[in-house]
Amino acid sequence: SAVISQKPSRDICQRGTSLTIQCQVDSQVTMMFWYRQQPGQSLTLIATANQGSEATYESGFVIDKFPISRPNLTFSTLTVSNMSPEDSSIYLCSAILPQETQYFGPGTRLLVL
Amino acid sequence: EDKVVQSPLSLVVHEGDTVTLNCSYEVTNFRSLLWYKQEKKAPTFLFMLTSSGIEKKSGRLSSILDKKELFSILNITATQTGDSAIYLCAVEGSNYKLTFGKGTLLTVNP
Repeated sequence: SAVISQKPSRDICQRGTSLTIQCQVDSQVTMMFWYRQQPGQSLTLIATANQGSEATYESGFVIDKFPISRPNLTFSTLTVSNMSPEDSSIYLCSAILPQETQYFGPGTRLLVL
Repeated sequence: EDKVVQSPLSLVVHEGDTVTLNCSYEVTNFRSLLWYKQEKKAPTFLFMLTSSGIEKKSGRLSSILDKKELFSILNITATQTGDSAIYLCAVEGSNYKLTFGKGTLLTVNP
């Protein structure tokens, strides 16, 4: 397995602002993803973070709202832009290691007022 | 569109009971089925199943997959209060993407 860390672990933000969440993996990974879990809901895939190129977004998610970077194999960021209360969720990054399954980071709990 | 349905959505048992959680799925390009336990924020990995009929076991937890009938079960024997959590089933399809079910909220009372 791998150790996946996320920063911040939680934040309270004002509407209209943006927050960038960082995800760091302690070993090389083949793929990284970003998920959202709204209150009382299950996890929904936002996008696949591609190294050195634009992320691949799922239906209902767009780059202007959720810009993602992945400058190297082990690090990615997700920005939640122009936030509204509907963006209050847990945001989780995940990583697939070579020959292994998908592991999740500890999550970032976001509250937008 | 890939789909995962878990049942029951919630379950309350007493310590020592045995529980069975169900997961049915529809997915194109099936790669694997995964079970996770979620207590606070992060889902922690339990099992990955790729082949039918082969039971995976870890302590009091076990799981099996039926690829013909498109379902999996997660069994927990001799439940403990520490087993209280949301149990998530996910299927891995194209490009390693996971589609999650809504989860089963398990409450184990002393």
